[in-house]
Parts: sequence; structure tokens; C-alpha cells
Amino acid sequence: AQSVAQPEDQVNVAEGNPLTVKCTYSVSGNPYLFWYVQYPNRGLQFLLKYITGDNLVKGSYGFEAEFNKSQTSFHLKKPSALVSDSALYFCAVRDVINAGNMLTFGGGTRLMVKP
Amino acid sequence: KAGVTQTPRYLIKTRGQQVTLSCSPISGHRSVSWYQQTPGQGLQFLFEYFSETQRNKGNFPGRFSGRQFSNSRSEMNVSTLELGDSALYLCASSLAGTSGSTNTDTQYFGPGTRLTVL
Repeated sequence: AQSVAQPEDQVNVAEGNPLTVKCTYSVSGNPYLFWYVQYPNRGLQFLLKYITGDNLVKGSYGFEAEFNKSQTSFHLKKPSALVSDSALYFCAVRDVINAGNMLTFGGGTRLMVKP
Repeated sequence: KAGVTQTPRYLIKTRGQQVTLSCSPISGHRSVSWYQQTPGQGLQFLFEYFSETQRNKGNFPGRFSGRQFSNSRSEMNVSTLELGDSALYLCASSLAGTSGSTNTDTQYFGPGTRLTVL
């Protein structure tokens, strides 16, 4: 079975500072990994994905994520946080061999960026 | 292109009733997946439809069902509502011509339907 862990319920960072939101995963085959963001009363908005190739993936709004196969991690990063980045972030994995198109999500991490 | 649309956005029902939620995917997308989001259980996969056929199903009771029409629009139905069914129901669409490793598609989510069961 596939699973995703986001070890921090909340991450606090000052505006202008770098941010990291952590994600680790477990799948039996090769993972396809995704990050989504959710603003209040909204659905999930796609940020970026890792399928194969370069371990550093760049996405929307200046976000990037680093795939680390040995540590089974896919941490989300941004060099300089904005107050408008404050939202709920979800990491998701798709086990393409065993789970079809189904996404398994982590529990979410609330990012708070303070001015 | 218009995004994924879901109707209604908000719904209030009482225990024992049934409810139908609707999802219109992005134009050209043929796969529609449904997820339930609750504070306690997080985001959980309900089912996926492709070409009017259920292709995958999560671990939910039979009270939860869905269908897909020939224009790829999808509906999900919950019968005999329980208090615990109160949740945000999210629909996602993707091209997803295949479900294996050749499918690198992204799922794009709608705004959700907030269901409250009293």
C-alpha cells in the first residue's frame, strides 16, 4: 500500500525567509509525486510534480521540490516566502503499478508566513 | 480553458436523506476522480471513472456511488446520509488515457461541494 507522511502540522516562517515543507512517501513501485496547495474555501491547486528525470522540480509561484529516492522524500521549498503563500499544502503520491490513477495524500501542512 | 466545475457548492441535508453531487471536467479530460476531505480523515479517494466505467474504487461503503456520462461529466451519490458524511467533496479531472506508468497526467481539482449533514 502507498502512504505519505507530512511530519509537521504547521510551519511558521517570516516573510522573505526560505521555507521548506517536508514530505516522505512509501510505495512499492516507482512513485509519481505531487504537491498541491489549498486556500480557504477552495479546492486543491496544482503546484508541481515529479515523474522522472531531474531530481529538482520547479513549479508554480516560485516553488520547487527535491526528489530524494534514498530518503524517500519530496520536500517543497521556496527561496523567499510571501505572506500570500500562507495556505494548506498537501503532498500526494501515485503508485502507478498498483493503484492506477488514485492519489494518496499526506495529512497536510499549514504554512503561516508572517510579515 | 474553463477549470473543473462542481455543483452545488454548498448543501445541507438531514440524516437518512440522499444527495447527488455533480462534476464537469476540463474540456477534453476523460478521467474523473472523487475525493472526500474531512478534518479527521484528511483527503481520501472515493472512485475514478473513465469512459463511463468505474476504473478504481476506494474503501468506502456501498452508500457511496457514482457514474460518468458520455460527455465525461460525473455525478456521485450518497444514500442514507450519516452525520459522518459531512465533508468537502472534491472532484478532479485528467486526460488519463491509461492508468499505468505511461500516465503522467496531472489531476486538476474543482472547488468542491461542502456537504453538511444535520
